[in-house]
Amino acid sequence: SQTIHQWPATLVQPVGSPLSLECTVEGTSNPNLYWYRQAAGRGLQLLFYSVGIGQISSEVPQNLSASRPQDRQFILSSKKLLLSDSGFYLCAWGAVDRGYEQYFGPGTRLTVT
Amino acid sequence: GQQVMQIPQYQHVQEGEDFTTYCNSSTTLSNIQWYKQRPGGHPVFLIQLVKSGEVKKQKRLTFQFGEAKKNSSLHITATQTTDVGTYFCAGMAHNQGGKLIFGQGTELSVKP
Repeated sequence: SQTIHQWPATLVQPVGSPLSLECTVEGTSNPNLYWYRQAAGRGLQLLFYSVGIGQISSEVPQNLSASRPQDRQFILSSKKLLLSDSGFYLCAWGAVDRGYEQYFGPGTRLTVT
Repeated sequence: GQQVMQIPQYQHVQEGEDFTTYCNSSTTLSNIQWYKQRPGGHPVFLIQLVKSGEVKKQKRLTFQFGEAKKNSSLHITATQTTDVGTYFCAGMAHNQGGKLIFGQGTELSVKP
């Protein structure tokens, strides 16, 4: 069976500090991978998605970046966090043979202070 | 760009009452998916609808996809406290390579 891991679960970071969130998937090959942000407990904003290693599509201009160094690893980064980066960050995977249904990780709650 | 609108934003019901949330897309969809997010949790996939006019049921939940494949609804019969959470629809346009556009969600609260 497939499993998706995200860490850390919670994070408090000062403004201007760097960020690295990691997501890994087990039990599937060549999945689509997604990063979403959810602010104030509502609405999922797609930040990045990837259809393969090294292939990243950015959906929203911002100070965040994403990388996919391995097939089942997706990393969200920032060089300098802003207050507006606070939110609930969710990683998800999907596959064409499942009609691109998306399966979410537990998420990371980021507070920028 | 493609937009998916969902209403209502909030719905408060008495336990046992019915509940419906509606979803409308600005473009024709390849499929529509529904997710549920419990308070403090992450979204969980419920169902996918693909065919025009399709209706699917999961126990007390009924999902419909419109004839034009631009709108959808989720109806819950006789709500229970376990139904509490936010329900999201998410539409996939054609040739979008697995990219979903989520509605803003409907937050359901159920008073026992």
